[in-house]
Amino acid sequence: NAGVTQTPKFQVLKTGQSMTLQCAQDMNHNSMYWYRQDPGMGLRLIYYSASEGTTDKGEVPNGYNVSRLNKREFSLRLESAAPSQTSVYFCASSPAGGQNIYEQYFGPGTRLTVT
Amino acid sequence: AQTVTQSQPEMSVQEAETVTLSCTYDTSESDYYLFWYKQPPSRQMILVIRQEAYKQQNATENRFSVNFQKAAKSFSLKISDSQLGDAAMYFCAYRSPPNSGYALNFGKGTSLLVTP
Repeated sequence: NAGVTQTPKFQVLKTGQSMTLQCAQDMNHNSMYWYRQDPGMGLRLIYYSASEGTTDKGEVPNGYNVSRLNKREFSLRLESAAPSQTSVYFCASSPAGGQNIYEQYFGPGTRLTVT
Repeated sequence: AQTVTQSQPEMSVQEAETVTLSCTYDTSESDYYLFWYKQPPSRQMILVIRQEAYKQQNATENRFSVNFQKAAKSFSLKISDSQLGDAAMYFCAYRSPPNSGYALNFGKGTSLLVTP
């Protein structure tokens, strides 16, 4: 049981390059999330997918796109990377919401540097 | 939008002593959920403790407990008998309502240093 996996763990891009961050979970969770973590800022929500086939913007969606490929996988794409997107990116998943206090399970993170 | 405030960027505690990390939040909801996550240098996010707002009893998990004051919108974390392995960043988080996908709103974190 691997939980939430992310690839790659580290990446360096030049301004204007594109890339996709991959995330997969093997816990049969409905909801998946992408956060970014910047120094002194905590984690901020980029996009989320409440269920397979749906995606919605979070607090900081500009410059990103997402795809919920199936129930297991949720990818984050940077079409034209900018230095402001230098950050650590976390993917998370959760069984559901509602009246149950389901926690979110986090992947190990991807450190992205844009030069 | 709900906001979460951690007013202590850094805290220090001696081994075996007790430390309390502060968190306040702003919400108009009546039912909600609160969490404390730990992030050691490995970067992994680890759930420490959770609290349902409708429960009056404060949550406890071994050496970790919370002081949940709903009227004051305060949710502090107490770590008893601190250990070197407790050194980490600690984040307070509020679970947003369904129209935001139950995503977590995080505070900016408190860096905890544990000294021998």
